[in-house]
Amino acid sequence: EPEVTQTPSHQVTQMGQEVILRCVPISNHLYFYWYRQILGQKVEFLVSFYNNEISEKSEIFDDQFSVERPDGSNFTLKIRSTKLEDSAMYFCASSARTGGVEKLFFGSGTQLSVL
Amino acid sequence: SQQGEEDPQALSIQEGENATMNCSYKTSINNLQWYRQNSGRGLVHLILIRSNEREKHSGRLRVTLDTSKKSSSLLITASRAADTASYFCATDGIQGAQKLVFGQGTRLTINP
Repeated sequence: EPEVTQTPSHQVTQMGQEVILRCVPISNHLYFYWYRQILGQKVEFLVSFYNNEISEKSEIFDDQFSVERPDGSNFTLKIRSTKLEDSAMYFCASSARTGGVEKLFFGSGTQLSVL
Repeated sequence: SQQGEEDPQALSIQEGENATMNCSYKTSINNLQWYRQNSGRGLVHLILIRSNEREKHSGRLRVTLDTSKKSSSLLITASRAADTASYFCATDGIQGAQKLVFGQGTRLTINP
């Protein structure tokens, strides 16, 4: 079965540094998402993306966050100036979507640790 | 908030027993989905039930949906040790849904 691929699997950074998390969604999918999960807690929606623009974003997704689909295959999440509280597992997901939000395919995640 | 809430938060049963997890939500939906997450891994889609459906089966999984009570249940029959994982329900919203909102999850432990 096709997979969503995320790199790196682990990222350690210093507070205030910029990080870019990378994702390769499933090739024929059109809808892309970032979620995050702080250890042991719920999976939180960050942003959805379709047709090269943000469809919806949560309160967490402030101006320190941005997303981009630079080359038609990669989908990236950038955090401009990381904070300690940004430490979490970040999941990318994609969907073919035919109406409403259909089945999401998730990557294995990037564990971000901000020191 | 349309967030789903799973109940119980944790469930521990013996292998071979059935496991039932419940989910409640607050807003109208197009569909409700259940996902599984093994420790430290991504979420895997298990089953989707639409708002006009009341029950759905997939292998050892049975999902029910009661839109009047805004609730759903996931039943895993004849549980196996490999079913040990966290299970999440997720809901969309009818009006221009652009995301799934996940509940807190139920941590299921199957004891051999």
